[in-house]
Amino acid sequence: SQTIHQWPATLVQPVGSPLSLECTVEGTSNPNLYWYRQAAGRGLQLLFYSVGIGQISSEVPQNLSASRPQDRQFILSSKKLLLSDSGFYLCAWSPGTGWSPLHFGNGTRLTVT
Amino acid sequence: DQQVKQNSPSLSVQEGRISILNCDYTNSMFDYFLWYKKYPAEGPTFLISISSIKDKNEDGRFTVFLNKSAKHLSLHIVPSQPGDSAVYFCAASSTSNTGKLIFGQGTTLQVKP
Repeated sequence: SQTIHQWPATLVQPVGSPLSLECTVEGTSNPNLYWYRQAAGRGLQLLFYSVGIGQISSEVPQNLSASRPQDRQFILSSKKLLLSDSGFYLCAWSPGTGWSPLHFGNGTRLTVT
Repeated sequence: DQQVKQNSPSLSVQEGRISILNCDYTNSMFDYFLWYKKYPAEGPTFLISISSIKDKNEDGRFTVFLNKSAKHLSLHIVPSQPGDSAVYFCAASSTSNTGKLIFGQGTTLQVKP
């Protein structure tokens, strides 16, 4: 069966520090991968998605970037964090073909201080 | 421009009664609609979906209704149980758009014993 792993679960970082969040999927090949963010009291906003290695689409202009160095690995990064980057970050996957619901990881709670 | 809206931030229901959560959308290109359930500090869990060619889909205690002319969908939970207390997100996707999900803001359901 397919599983998705996301780490760390919580992270407290000072303003101006770098960020790297990692997500891996097991049990499937060529998945579509997604990064979402839930800001306090708000819905889930799509940040990035990827349909293949090295292929990244950005949904909103922001201080973050994403990379997909391997088929089942998706990384969310920032060179310098802002206070507004605080939130709950969720990685998700879906099969690369056909329609299917997205399956989410357990998320990373990022607090920028 | 919020394409998917959940206008009720919260709902409180007595155990055993029906819970009805509502969702409105604006984009007529959406062809799949989903409901997710989310507990604090966890990722959303897929509950039920409906394609635009149907007007009802049922799975146990959960039923989703779709009214395309009104661009409205609802989730019915019968009977409601205390374990159903969570945040419920409505989401929509277009199969022509890599299956990205656009989420509503969420509705917090509290089921009282």
